[in-house]
Amino acid sequence: DAGVTQSPTHLIKTRGQQVTLRCSPKSGHDTVSWYQQALGQGPQFIFQYYEEEERQRGNFPDRFSGHQFPNYSSELNVNALLLGDSALYLCASSRSVRDLPGYTFGSGTRLTVV
Amino acid sequence: AQKVTQAQTEISVVEKEDVTLDCVYETRDTTYYLFWYKQPPSGELVFLIRRNSFDEQNEISGRYSWNFQKSTSSFNFTITASQVVDSAVYFCALSEGHPTGTASKLTFGTGTRLQVTL
Repeated sequence: DAGVTQSPTHLIKTRGQQVTLRCSPKSGHDTVSWYQQALGQGPQFIFQYYEEEERQRGNFPDRFSGHQFPNYSSELNVNALLLGDSALYLCASSRSVRDLPGYTFGSGTRLTVV
Repeated sequence: AQKVTQAQTEISVVEKEDVTLDCVYETRDTTYYLFWYKQPPSGELVFLIRRNSFDEQNEISGRYSWNFQKSTSSFNFTITASQVVDSAVYFCALSEGHPTGTASKLTFGTGTRLQVTL
């Protein structure tokens, strides 16, 4: 049973460029959340998608946008990249039920902006 | 607003020592969930334990145990007889109960780096 799959694993972009990160949730999960983890910090919530709609959003600018597809996979897009966007981007999936076994995280995409 | 504080930034122990990781949380919700995650160098967050705000029963699972005390807003995690493979960053996290049933966002602490040496 595959867990959460993220691609690519590493990425180097130039300041001002745009980037798209991808996530496939764990089998049986229909909710996808994205987190940004700067070096030495805890993950920060970006947004969550359920039923192809953004349901919750953290304190991130509009440069960060996302999408969820009918098969529950998701994309995170970041426009006009800044040096400060360099981080590990983690995708987490979960089931949309009240009794949660716990979120399942992928290994992340490490984005470096130069 | 929710907040999670992990005051210990780094802990070093010798193998077979017991180690306790501290976590203090703040929330105005009456229904919430607390988590511990382990992050090895590979980057993946590994789920260890979840507790809801109505379950203060403390448990032991193998070498892991946790102490949840609502009176002090603490959710501490203990590893007994630590091993080198336990070396990782450990995160405490808080999630509010969401009325629609969908999983709510996690608020993480800044993590505690545990180094276990021989």
